[in-house]
Amino acid sequence: DTAVSQTPKYLVTQMGNDKSIKCEQNLGHDTMYWYKQDSKKFLKIMFSYNNKELIINETVPNRFSPKSPDKAHLNLHINSLELGDSAVYFCASSQGAQKANVLTFGAGSRLTVL
Amino acid sequence: AQSVTQLDSQVPVFEEAPVELRCNYSSSVSVYLFWYVQYPNQGLQLLLKYLSGSTLVKGINGFEAEFNKSQTSFHLRKPSVHISDTAEYFCAVTYNTNAGKSTFGDGTTLTVKP
Repeated sequence: DTAVSQTPKYLVTQMGNDKSIKCEQNLGHDTMYWYKQDSKKFLKIMFSYNNKELIINETVPNRFSPKSPDKAHLNLHINSLELGDSAVYFCASSQGAQKANVLTFGAGSRLTVL
Repeated sequence: AQSVTQLDSQVPVFEEAPVELRCNYSSSVSVYLFWYVQYPNQGLQLLLKYLSGSTLVKGINGFEAEFNKSQTSFHLRKPSVHISDTAEYFCAVTYNTNAGKSTFGDGTTLTVKP
């Protein structure tokens, strides 16, 4: 069983479209994250939820809206896609939101905006 | 500002040679330190972590790292690398003031040649 699973793995779409990426974890963790990895492999945190509550919200355009229906799921919806949104988006989870927690990552969702 | 610097963007080595991947962080407050590995087209996996105690920590696949507080460094080492170690390596730091937020370095591409 995959611990952190993301769908879709690949997503190709046109500028201006709206798309969603889903993430589910079966580890029983209570904290989930979205990270963005750009073409140079730089990894930046976008959001974090702890028990469905938003706890980290970095400087991200408001076209990006996370949603956590329960602590096992964290989805990412992106409106009005732009070329610069092309990246690999990683979902991660951890037990607790403390500083020493280890992150478990999904395999990533590669978004290409044409 | 709090930051993580991986001093080498690319490290090419021959198989069975030793390797050191360097990581420095900026802060004098308590930190928690991690190394993650990303194999091609996969998510990140934890290699090792330093939370407290012994400054020399051992991880998976024969890797180890040493926490040096005075030099604010956490360099990753392996005495003899294999072709299968070819991957992207990320140093990450969670600062005591930033609950649950890990800051990642820009990554080091380790290429092991036969």
